[in-house]
Amino acid sequence: EPEVTQTPSHQVTQMGQEVILRCVPISNHLYFYWYRQILGQKVEFLVSFYNNEISEKSEIFDDQFSVERPDGSNFTLKIRSTKLEDSAMYFCASTYTDRAKEKLFFGSGTQLSVL
Amino acid sequence: DAKTTQPTSMDCAEGRAANLPCNHSTISGNEYVYWYRQIHSQGPQYIIHGLKNNETNEMASLIITEDRKSSTLILPHATLRDTAVYYCIVRPGSGNTGKLIFGQGTTLQVKP
Repeated sequence: EPEVTQTPSHQVTQMGQEVILRCVPISNHLYFYWYRQILGQKVEFLVSFYNNEISEKSEIFDDQFSVERPDGSNFTLKIRSTKLEDSAMYFCASTYTDRAKEKLFFGSGTQLSVL
Repeated sequence: DAKTTQPTSMDCAEGRAANLPCNHSTISGNEYVYWYRQIHSQGPQYIIHGLKNNETNEMASLIITEDRKSSTLILPHATLRDTAVYYCIVRPGSGNTGKLIFGQGTTLQVKP
């Protein structure tokens, strides 16, 4: 089965530093998503992206966050100035359409630790 | 979006069927029931989905009641590798349906 690939698997950074989390969605997919999961908590939606635009974002996704698809294959999440509370597992997901019966494929995640 | 209610945890003996219930009493006509699972902090994995009819695939079966207010995910022969958190999610039939709202899910422990 095709896979969503995320790199790195672990990222450690100092508070206030910028981080970029990278994802390679499945090649023919058109809709892309970032989710996060703080340790012991629920998986939370951050943002959806289609046609080079943000379709929807949650209240978590503030001005410190941005997404882009720079080269038609990678999909990145940037956190400009990391805070301790940004420490979480970040999951990228993709799907071909946004129809309700289309399943999302998730990557294995990037564990971000902010020190 | 309709809310779902699931038991916090369940145990199942290896080789037996695991039946995971979900209540979604406020589900509307165009909303699908989806099941995902998450094995030990890996990315969520799609299992199965349905609208009205019962569904079966290589992983599981989904039984949806006639009034659609509840459903049951059935893993017919649970293995130790099925130990995971199972999420029942209701998705709208139109609009930005990639925004999944995860609850706490049911932690299924399969025991030898």
